[in-house]
Amino acid sequence: GAVVSQHPSRVICKSGTSVKIECRSLDFQATTMFWYRQFPKQSLMLMATSNEGSKATYEQGVEKDKFLINHASLTLSTLTVTSAHPEDSSFYICSADYRDSHSPLHFGNGTRLTVT
Amino acid sequence: DAKTTQPTSMDCAEGRAANLPCNHSTISGNEYVYWYRQIHSQGPQYIIHGLKNNETNEMASLIITEDRKSSTLILPHATLRDTAVYYCIVRVNDQAGTALIFGKGTTLSVSS
Repeated sequence: GAVVSQHPSRVICKSGTSVKIECRSLDFQATTMFWYRQFPKQSLMLMATSNEGSKATYEQGVEKDKFLINHASLTLSTLTVTSAHPEDSSFYICSADYRDSHSPLHFGNGTRLTVT
Repeated sequence: DAKTTQPTSMDCAEGRAANLPCNHSTISGNEYVYWYRQIHSQGPQYIIHGLKNNETNEMASLIITEDRKSSTLILPHATLRDTAVYYCIVRVNDQAGTALIFGKGTTLSVSS
């Protein structure tokens, strides 16, 4: 079945540094990928929609200059958290659109970001 | 905003069927019902989806009412590993690349 790989699974960084998270579709081409954020004991919140070869579309309240999204190929999207602060600590999850109208979205296993 | 309503939590005994309800009274004719679950600190796992007919796969069954305003996910023989948060989501299943919008879900606790 379709697989989405997310890397790294865990990262700890210092305040003020930037962190890049990768999301890959391993056995299919994903024209569209989605990035979510999840705080403890809360549901997933959609941050942005990433389309291959074009600018990402951000949800209201998500700073596009802070959360840089690049979708340079049909199998890779990256989320860079720039100048990270402790309040950016969260669980970040990507998903990819399988592009088959009968198939569901598939999710990566998430990245636990801790900013110290 | 999520277009579904689910109970906050449910309990189920191991080996028994778990029936998880979901209300989606404002569902549109071209929206599918999807079910995902999330085990702690993992990404959501797809379970099943349907439009109007009942569906069954190796994981679960999905029963959708005739008016499509509600549905029930059935795990026929729950195990301890089915303890998770279950999300019912409605989504247009087209070629445009539409995100899944998650509600609060139902926390299912399976106990022995």
